[in-house]
Amino acid sequence: QKEVEQDPGPLSVPEGAIVSLNCTYSNSAFQYFMWYRQYSRKGPELLMYTYSSGNKEDGRFTAQVDKSSKYISLFIRDSQPSDSATYLCAMTTYNNNDMRFGAGTRLTVKP
Amino acid sequence: NAGVTQTPKFQVLKTGQSMTLQCAQDMNHEYMSWYRQDPGMGLRLIHYSVGAGITDQGEVPNGYNVSRSTTEDFPLRLLSAAPSQTSVYFCASSYSRSSYNEQFFGPGTRLTVL
Repeated sequence: QKEVEQDPGPLSVPEGAIVSLNCTYSNSAFQYFMWYRQYSRKGPELLMYTYSSGNKEDGRFTAQVDKSSKYISLFIRDSQPSDSATYLCAMTTYNNNDMRFGAGTRLTVKP
Repeated sequence: NAGVTQTPKFQVLKTGQSMTLQCAQDMNHEYMSWYRQDPGMGLRLIHYSVGAGITDQGEVPNGYNVSRSTTEDFPLRLLSAAPSQTSVYFCASSYSRSSYNEQFFGPGTRLTVL
């Protein structure tokens, strides 16, 4: 079993839809949780990061962490065609020795 | 600032050949790392460095060597290329090891080993 599980999709939604992306993990020592966006043939870029449990909002993006369920989510409101990309979750322990990435979910937002 | 740069963008090797993937950053970042990205596997850490002269192994270090003689450069060496090393390689940097909120990735090097 992988330490971080992420549904690879692909996920296709119409413009304006609310998108929900999720990851589960098995290592209870993970404390920092990140979401990266990766456009085709580009390097990942950090979208959001959260510490421990709770929610964090940044514009149309909301990240949620539920440590009791070992489950993290990224919500995208009013999705746009420019949001079409692969979204990677990542998580690490306090000392960043063990950063682990999910396999990525490929999202397409259709106009 | 150019950020994190990687060369070459593409490379094809034959089994047994060696090569060096170059990575440079101009942000005066102490922490640099190398990842490989394979379909269905996500990014996996190969080696990392917390500063000039200091390197350590990540999750999948076998078959790769690194050195860090300057703050700016962090080359990755493939000693004897194998088809299993066909992958996309990303270099990343951040101000420090714990700077989770400011890790920058390079554009990647696509490597094919025949």
